[in-house]
Amino acid sequence: DAGVIQSPRHEVTEMGQEVTLRCKPISGHDYLFWYRQTMMRGLELLIYFNNNVPIDDSGMPEDRFSAKMPNASFSTLKIQPSEPRDSAVYFCASSLAGGRTGELFFGEGSRLTVL
Amino acid sequence: QKEVEQDPGPLSVPEGAIVSLNCTYSNSAFQYFMWYRQYSRKGPELLMYTYSSGNKEDGRFTAQVDKSSKYISLFIRDSQPSDSATYLCAMTKNQGGKLIFGQGTELSVKP
Repeated sequence: DAGVIQSPRHEVTEMGQEVTLRCKPISGHDYLFWYRQTMMRGLELLIYFNNNVPIDDSGMPEDRFSAKMPNASFSTLKIQPSEPRDSAVYFCASSLAGGRTGELFFGEGSRLTVL
Repeated sequence: QKEVEQDPGPLSVPEGAIVSLNCTYSNSAFQYFMWYRQYSRKGPELLMYTYSSGNKEDGRFTAQVDKSSKYISLFIRDSQPSDSATYLCAMTKNQGGKLIFGQGTELSVKP
């Protein structure tokens, strides 16, 4: 299996611009997670889906952030408008309920820099 | 107060040393405890997991959970330069639920 695939790997944009991050989970996995990692705050859960339905979005920082999962093989995280404090590495992860407990499979991340 | 506390380090040790990494947590409902390893510019990968209290050993790695103290540990014996990475503890209340991570400890093993 190809693993979790994220794009773009790197994004540099200017404040106020819209940013869209994409994720393809491992085929057959029914949970999908979006995390954000910074030096100051570590790895923070933003939102997670089960069978394409958002279960918990309490970690989404504010209305500028939105996430969708239109089907089992694709998810997006959108930031509009972006701000310099959104600069971070954004990770997508997927897992299989009933599989090895707690094992999330992470993508390689999307490194976002907002100038 | 964060739900999971982990000293970010950095921690530097000579090759062959025994490494001890620790996390404390505040939520007694956590049942599943994990350690993830993250190499530079990569995503985290599961290293060890344990359910409830007790020890688990896998090669040079031992994970310990003490639920009464809300304290978990990861020991690395005979550390190698290839062990240099960030180690993140993580925990969850139930299968498939929210996985809460510690901040991660950056480890460097010097040859």
